[in-house]
Amino acid sequence: GENVEQHPSTLSVQEGDSAVIKCTYSDSASNYFPWYKQELGKRPQLIIDIRSNVGEKKDQRIAVTLNKTAKHFSLHITETQPEDSAVYFCAAITGANNLFFGTGTRLTVIP
Amino acid sequence: DADVTQTPRNRITKTGKRIMLECSQTKGHDRMYWYRQDPGLGLRLIYYSFDVKDINKGEISDGYSVSRQAQAKFSLSLESAIPNQTALYFCATSDLLAGELETQYFGPGTRLLVL
Repeated sequence: GENVEQHPSTLSVQEGDSAVIKCTYSDSASNYFPWYKQELGKRPQLIIDIRSNVGEKKDQRIAVTLNKTAKHFSLHITETQPEDSAVYFCAAITGANNLFFGTGTRLTVIP
Repeated sequence: DADVTQTPRNRITKTGKRIMLECSQTKGHDRMYWYRQDPGLGLRLIYYSFDVKDINKGEISDGYSVSRQAQAKFSLSLESAIPNQTALYFCATSDLLAGELETQYFGPGTRLLVL
């Protein structure tokens, strides 16, 4: 079955710096990789996703890269702002067409 | 996202009690899911349903049961609650588009405390 590992578990950056969160997955058949942001006391919400037919996707300050050969994908946030502070989860689709989530990264942006 | 609602939002119960958490959605999605979230463990899948006649166990189904009453409703039951079921529970929905899984939309969560 699928297994997803996410690193680091906590990350602190200065406002304006970049943040990178990395995930690895085990099932080479996985072809969909979403990233969710969960603010304190709120529900997880999708911020960006990528399918295996592309290597990179960008949406303003957020980008995701995918390396299928190495089975890892990363979230990149540039020009971080205090409102980027949250817990971020990566996920990968399983053979049963469900999502398997990483354990989360708590990002703190220091003003 | 008001399209996915959960009741109750908070619940305190005692060990051995049976409780039910309910989820409703107006998104018209066929697929519904129940997750639990514990600190440091992310979101773990309890049960999922791809339509009203389809129920499947997830990663951590022991001690839980579900019922898919209609396309829009999916409830989670703890038959005999125990303290280690204290967690934040999320319902989610999704759908397939051209055979590919679309994003999951989460409800607001139910915070459960088992004493």
